[in-house]
Amino acid sequence: GNSVTQMEGPVTLSEEAFLTINCTYTATGYPSLFWYVQYPGEGLQLLLKATKADDKGSNKGFEATYRKETTSFHLEKGSVQVSDSAVYFCALNSGGSNYKLTFGKGTLLTVNP
Amino acid sequence: GAVVSQHPSWVICKSGTSVKIECRSLDFQATTMFWYRQFPKQSLMLMATSNEGSKATYEQGVEKDKFLINHASLTLSTLTVTSAHPEDSSFYICSASPRTRRAGELFFGEGSRLTVL
Repeated sequence: GNSVTQMEGPVTLSEEAFLTINCTYTATGYPSLFWYVQYPGEGLQLLLKATKADDKGSNKGFEATYRKETTSFHLEKGSVQVSDSAVYFCALNSGGSNYKLTFGKGTLLTVNP
Repeated sequence: GAVVSQHPSWVICKSGTSVKIECRSLDFQATTMFWYRQFPKQSLMLMATSNEGSKATYEQGVEKDKFLINHASLTLSTLTVTSAHPEDSSFYICSASPRTRRAGELFFGEGSRLTVL
């Protein structure tokens, strides 16, 4: 079956630090990969996605590259801000007409000023 | 962007009572809605997939008689936790997939926190 393993948190960084949150997956076929973000008190929001190998998703300074050879989709940001403090979820969707997502456990990021 | 709203955002109930949680897509029609359960420091666990006008499809290990799901219209799905017990206390989240969807285009509600005393 499908599974997503992401780096355990919590992660605490200072403002302007470099961020990496690791994510690896197991899936049949050719999944689409996503990063979702959950800000305090809000629902999950799609941060970025990649639908095929070597695609790079990017948004709000965050990037992740779909690496089929390493089955990874690591999230990076060059310079984090306090407002990036949130829980980040890696997820995959194995396609078809049913858009079920399989999520990782989430990584809590806290950015201090 | 598309908005999904859940109500109530939090609820406290006595053991043995039933609780209904609503999930509404406010500005789009959702052919499919998903219900998740999230435990502290854990991932979102998919409970069931709800398609408008048909019976929900439950994930393995989820009791369908315990967690009743109704998707009566293209903008509303409800989750009823029947005869709730303290172990049902959790954060329940819904997501909706628009009719004109692209891969992974799911919109999530804010979640509903259930506490059973």
